[in-house]
Amino acid sequence: SQQGEEDPQALSIQEGENATMNCSYKTSINNLQWYRQNSGRGLVHLILIRSNEREKHSGRLRVTLDTSKKSSSLLITASRAADTASYFCATDRVDSSYKLIFGSGTRLLVRP
Amino acid sequence: DTGVSQNPRHKITKRGQNVTFRCDPISEHNRLYWYRQTLGQGPEFLTYFQNEAQLEKSRLLSDRFSAERPKGSFSTLEIQRTEQGDSAMYLCASSPERVRHNQPQHFGDGTRLSIL
Repeated sequence: SQQGEEDPQALSIQEGENATMNCSYKTSINNLQWYRQNSGRGLVHLILIRSNEREKHSGRLRVTLDTSKKSSSLLITASRAADTASYFCATDRVDSSYKLIFGSGTRLLVRP
Repeated sequence: DTGVSQNPRHKITKRGQNVTFRCDPISEHNRLYWYRQTLGQGPEFLTYFQNEAQLEKSRLLSDRFSAERPKGSFSTLEIQRTEQGDSAMYLCASSPERVRHNQPQHFGDGTRLSIL
């Protein structure tokens, strides 16, 4: 079963705009990770945020984590057509053996 | 770093046939994971190896499924007597064991299985 819910399920924006995706989860975690998946391909790791971190940046990506609300957000700034993909959050739970529990994903379309 | 390699990329077979997929992880990674992903959903965990030991299996992994990692390097996932519901993308991932947690997993491009 999926650990988290992602919101929105789909997002369509114009190139140059920012995209924000949200993820909620249910149990205590070691870390939360964001992955990107292009159609028909595997997942590409984007960023990992540990449970004791609140914000992390990587290039045009900004991730926040609120463990009290059990939620995270991924912000992609100055979006590009090449950012069109599905984005998944995944949690590494405290009670798990390193497996990741994925949300159902946000499908992002960036219009040129 | 040559990445995680999965073969075949696509497999089409008739219901009732057996299929086997192969995963070659990144060479220095001793953890290997199998996930299944159906259309429009996120991946779901199937099983996990540390070296050659299979340490966890999901309830999704019925007795028709078997996974091996005989020498702690490549892994195979076999599905016997395939059913329509087995149609999915099967993803393999690997990660190193430098620290207990907080390591990203590196995914292959998956094997897409279609059952006719």
